[in-house]
Amino acid sequence: NAGVTQTPKFRVLKTGQSMTLLCAQDMNHEYMYWYRQDPGMGLRLIHYSVGEGTTAKGEVPDGYNVSRLKKQNFLLGLESAAPSQTSVYFCASRTGQGVVETQYFGPGTRLLVL
Amino acid sequence: AQSVTQLDSHVSVSEGTPVLLRCNYSSSYSPSLFWYVQHPNKGLQLLLKYTSAATLVKGINGFEAEFKKSETSFHLTKPSAHMSDAAEYFCVVSDLSSSASKIIFGSGTRLSIRP
Repeated sequence: NAGVTQTPKFRVLKTGQSMTLLCAQDMNHEYMYWYRQDPGMGLRLIHYSVGEGTTAKGEVPDGYNVSRLKKQNFLLGLESAAPSQTSVYFCASRTGQGVVETQYFGPGTRLLVL
Repeated sequence: AQSVTQLDSHVSVSEGTPVLLRCNYSSSYSPSLFWYVQHPNKGLQLLLKYTSAATLVKGINGFEAEFKKSETSFHLTKPSAHMSDAAEYFCVVSDLSSSASKIIFGSGTRLSIRP
């Protein structure tokens, strides 16, 4: 049981390049989330999904797209990377039942956009 | 709308002394509250959560937090700090207006431990 995994762990992009971050969970969780973490700002929600085939915008969705084609995977795409997207990206998942259920986080992906 | 404020961006204590990390929340509903810890270059780990069952919540690694509705606070404490407690700590409140069970993070408190 690996929990939540993220690939890649680290990536350097040039401005304008595209990339996809992969999040995978093996806990059969319904809900999945993508966050970005910037110094002094905690974690901010980018996009989330409440089930296979559904996605929704979070607090800071601009410049990102997501897809949830399979229940266990949640992909975050950057179509044209910008330096402002330099950040640490975290994926999380949780069961869909109950408000107080815990979100489980992946180890993060460090992205540097030059 | 729900929000959470961590009152200190950085706390430094000596090893063996008590730890207090402060968190205040704002919520129109009876909130669910969490504390997460992030060690350097690591992901986030749940320390404890408040679910209205008991106001004093015990977590892992000797941490505990007390929910005080009158003060809208959920401060994190530990009687005796250990070097391994050095990390970033996040207070989190559930966004009960959301059907997607979203959570809202505070800005974090960095805990340093002096030998």
